[in-house]
Parts: sequence; C-alpha cells; structure tokens
Amino acid sequence: EIQLVESGGGLVQPGGSLRLSCAASGFTFSAYYMDWVRQAPGKGLEWVGRSTNKANGYTTEYAASVKGRFTISRDDSENSLYLQMNSLKTEDTAVYYCARGVTGIMNRWFDPWGQGTLVTVSS
Amino acid sequence: DIQLTQSPSFLSASVGDRVTITCRASQGISSHLAWYQQKPGKAPKLLIFAASTLQSGVPSRFSGSGSGTEFTLTITSLQPEDFATYYCQQLNSYPLTFGGGAKVEIK
Repeated sequence: EIQLVESGGGLVQPGGSLRLSCAASGFTFSAYYMDWVRQAPGKGLEWVGRSTNKANGYTTEYAASVKGRFTISRDDSENSLYLQMNSLKTEDTAVYYCARGVTGIMNRWFDPWGQGTLVTVSS
Repeated sequence: DIQLTQSPSFLSASVGDRVTITCRASQGISSHLAWYQQKPGKAPKLLIFAASTLQSGVPSRFSGSGSGTEFTLTITSLQPEDFATYYCQQLNSYPLTFGGGAKVEIK
C-alpha cells in the first residue's frame, strides 16, 4: 500500500522554527517528485513547494510566501521528505500535507496525500 | 503566477442532481489540470488529471473536460458521498496553484 505519513507539527511561537517530516512507503520514493501543500483553518489549499527527484538534481521550487524561510529536503535512503520552517509567522498556521507529485509530459497530478500535520504559530 | 477561479464557490444540490463546477485559468495551461475532492478533516483525493482522465477507482459519474483556460468538472447523479469541497489545480508552471474551492452541500 502506498502511504505518506507526516509528523513534526505542533505549537511554535512567531519567529520560531519547526521541521516537518513525511515518511513514504509502498513505492520507489527516489523516483518521484514530492510536494508540500498547506491549508489554513477554514481556507483552501496552498502549494508550498517541491523537491524534484535524483534524475532532476533534487532541485526545489517554492511559493513566494515561503521562499527564503522554508527549505525542502529529502533523504532517499530513508524514504523521507522534510520541510524546515524558519522565521514562522502567524499566517503559517495550517495543516501541512505532503504529496507525491507525478510530472509527465501530459499526465501530472498529486497522489497520494498524507493525512496532514497541524502547525500552529502563536504566542 | 497563474490564477484559477472556480465557480460557483458554493452550491446546494440534491441527491440525483447533475452538478457542474467551472475552473478558469488566468492564462493557458494546456490540459495540465487536476481535480480533487476533499471532505472535512481529510486529505484531498485525486479525481481527475490531464483535465479529463479519470483516476483509477473514481466512479464514472465524475468527468472532466476543457483545455487552455476553461475547464469543467461534472458529477452526474450526485450521491450522498459526493457532498464535499472540490478543488482544481494547475500543474503547467510554477508556482503550482489551486482554485479557491467549490463546496457542494445538501439541499
């Protein structure tokens, strides 16, 4: 069974840092792009960023709202994806999902998604 | 950045109804569009990719169409389990973006 499980969420003060993890199983992790998506309470989905795979140099892309503060990394030997979040703001409060990204010439999608982990930024 | 505008953002419908949700892109995205269903407290679930290809296991009452800047998600004969929020997503260029969502509620 293909599965993604996030962990590391919690309560952090503004200006603080947090590192989220996403453990993957059931597929060849190293072959896939991986993405982070967040959802603020009662709001819609917002793409956070992406890590490409080894074949594409593990390059990363970020949303403007997090660029320079968040860093995505991965450890293919551990089948794990990470999101290092620094200089956190109250507006970063959200459920954070990791998702497997499929990026073909025509066929592109996010599937599956993890169950999400809640990050609350508050004093 | 490519903006996706979904309409309506909310609709009230009955079991058995035909429902159509539109997603408009601010610039052309070819067919690089996916649709997701999200229920409260759950992660989004992929329904359709490449604008019109049904994901394996998704009921055939769901269908997608469109290319370029205008796309539609249609649910024929709405079922009780279809009451949820639906999001479109463009995967044509960075930053990847989602529409604002369309909540389908029971009339």
